Amino acid sequence: ETGVTQSPTHLIKTRGQQVTLRCSSQSGHNTVSWYQQALGQGPQFIFQYYREEENGRGNFPPRFSGLQFPNYSSELNVNALELDDSALYLCASSSRGSGDTQYFGPGTRLTVL
Amino acid sequence: EDQVTQSPEALRLQEGESSSLNCSYTVSGLRGLFWYRQDPGKGPEFLFTLYSAGEEKEKERLKATLTKKESFLHITAPKPEDSATYLCAVHSDYGGSQGNLIFGKGTKLSVKP
Repeated sequence: ETGVTQSPTHLIKTRGQQVTLRCSSQSGHNTVSWYQQALGQGPQFIFQYYREEENGRGNFPPRFSGLQFPNYSSELNVNALELDDSALYLCASSSRGSGDTQYFGPGTRLTVL
Repeated sequence: EDQVTQSPEALRLQEGESSSLNCSYTVSGLRGLFWYRQDPGKGPEFLFTLYSAGEEKEKERLKATLTKKESFLHITAPKPEDSATYLCAVHSDYGGSQGNLIFGKGTKLSVKP
């Protein structure tokens, strides 16, 4: 069974640029959630995708957007990068259903200069 | 508003010195409380899911318990390899999703030999 994978591992961008992060969900999972984790903080919910549609969104501006593909993999896109976007971006997959456990990938470390 | 508070923020133990980490939560209808372990720069690793007050789960030197207002992660005779940040999270409908996670800030555990 393959776990959650994310790419790239690390990324350095400059302010104003755009970035795309990728996530492959665990086998058998149809729901993907994205989180942002700043240094020393717990992960913050960005949004969730189920069957290729956004299924809930946290307190993040519209320049954070995403996609889910038919194979349940997902992308997180961030436009007009700001310095505060520097963080560890985490993808988690789960099976649809209340209370289901979310399994996390290794994360993508984004640094905005 | 759904909320998770973890204490202490940091905990230093000697190898073999047992202790407990606390997670207090407020949520409208608990549908799952989760414990994760996170090593520096990596994604959270799933440990336990608890669903109802009185429930207990064990894994090696770790035991998680749940009451109506809080959860405890008990660490018995810890070893240096147990050093990590331990995150507590609850399922929430925040943001309109069915089952995103609200995290605490974590407890950073250091175990000295």
